[in-house]
Amino acid sequence: AQKITQTQPGMFVQEKEAVTLDCTYDTSDPSYGLFWYKQPSSGEMIFLIYQGSYDQQNATEGRYSLNFQKARKSANLVISASQLGDSAMYFCAMSSVPYDRGSTLGRLYFGRGTQLTVWP
Amino acid sequence: GAGVSQTPSNKVTEKGKYVELRCDPISGHTALYWYRQSLGQGPEFLIYFQGTGAADDSGLPNDRFFAVRPEGSVSTLKIQRTERGDSAVYLCASSPDSGSGNTIYFGEGSWLTVV
Repeated sequence: AQKITQTQPGMFVQEKEAVTLDCTYDTSDPSYGLFWYKQPSSGEMIFLIYQGSYDQQNATEGRYSLNFQKARKSANLVISASQLGDSAMYFCAMSSVPYDRGSTLGRLYFGRGTQLTVWP
Repeated sequence: GAGVSQTPSNKVTEKGKYVELRCDPISGHTALYWYRQSLGQGPEFLIYFQGTGAADDSGLPNDRFFAVRPEGSVSTLKIQRTERGDSAVYLCASSPDSGSGNTIYFGEGSWLTVV
């Protein structure tokens, strides 16, 4: 069975600093996808970044990068130059199917989330 | 709008009543998902449709929960004989068909409170 673990219930970072949100996962699937979503107080889940298990390089999207360590089964999110608007709940998630392998994504398995607070 | 639309945004109902939650996915998206998010938890998968058919309904907690997508677009999640434990945010999401390289896009959710 797939499982996502986020061990940090809350994190605090000063504006303009970098922060790392931890995520470990467990799966027996030979290939899989890893995602990070941001959920502000409005409730909408906003897609941030994706990493396929077979990707050789770590994914980056603007200020977001994913530190993927396959042997450790970790997929930590790094946010550089934090902004006040980054304050939100962040969820790590996993799919059994890497979505760019030509098949529909299927279900996602989510962690419990990390509440990030950015202070001035 | 261009995003996933869910109605109602808030629903308060009495224990034992029947509830319907509606989801209008992004136009052209063939896959549609329902998740449930309880307070302090991550979203939990309920069911996913590929077109009109349920491709995976293994997350539905019991037979009080049912979902339909008769024309492959709008979906309705139906909850019979609601219980207080059903109180949660019900999130709908959609994604394009295979090969597009896009992820799942979520709506803002329907907050259900059973009193």
